[in-house]
Amino acid sequence: LAKTTQPISMDSYEGQEVNITCSHNNIATNDYITWYQQFPSQGPRFIIQGYKTKVTNEVASLFIPADRKSSTLSLPRVSLSDTAVYYCLVGGINDMRFGAGTRLTVKP
Amino acid sequence: IAGITQAPTSQILAAGRRMTLRCTQDMRHNAMYWYRQDLGLGLRLIHYSNTAGTTGKGEVPDGYSVSRANTDDFPLTLASAVPSQTSVYFCASSDSRLAGVSYNEQFFGPGTRLTVL
Repeated sequence: LAKTTQPISMDSYEGQEVNITCSHNNIATNDYITWYQQFPSQGPRFIIQGYKTKVTNEVASLFIPADRKSSTLSLPRVSLSDTAVYYCLVGGINDMRFGAGTRLTVKP
Repeated sequence: IAGITQAPTSQILAAGRRMTLRCTQDMRHNAMYWYRQDLGLGLRLIHYSNTAGTTGKGEVPDGYSVSRANTDDFPLTLASAVPSQTSVYFCASSDSRLAGVSYNEQFFGPGTRLTVL
């Protein structure tokens, strides 16, 4: 099974860069790595997805080492509105595991 | 407005009753999913469907059934609800055909909060 491990919580301050690392030691060859953001009382929202190396979009960067056993979501210059739970997801359609996620709290 | 709708928004249900949670998407996505979210446990996959007419079991399928008669609708049925099925249920969809990988970006609905007493 494609299982992920993330820190339970992280704190940061406005304007700082935040890096959240996810471990996925048994990732399969065909698996992509996807990160989601969830605010209270809402469904998760896609942030970024990658297979290897680095991916960047308008909101985040995703760093994936060559062995793909971990990945790091990087949020540049966070704001209070980035306070949310962040989930790392790997696996195929029938073995996806969201895990408990990382609760990020951004302080003023 | 394109997206996923779920109904009802919330429901209180007596144990033993039958309940169907509705999910409809208008993005013509081939894949659809049902998750439940319990406090501290993240989201767990209940059932999924790769395409209309096919369904599969996820991590926690017991006590739930699904059907996929067409592309847009993916109802989740609790045949005889039990208190342990109290949870928030999210429906999601994705177009897994885009890049030839097992799944792509999932779009989630607003959720249904179900309480079984």
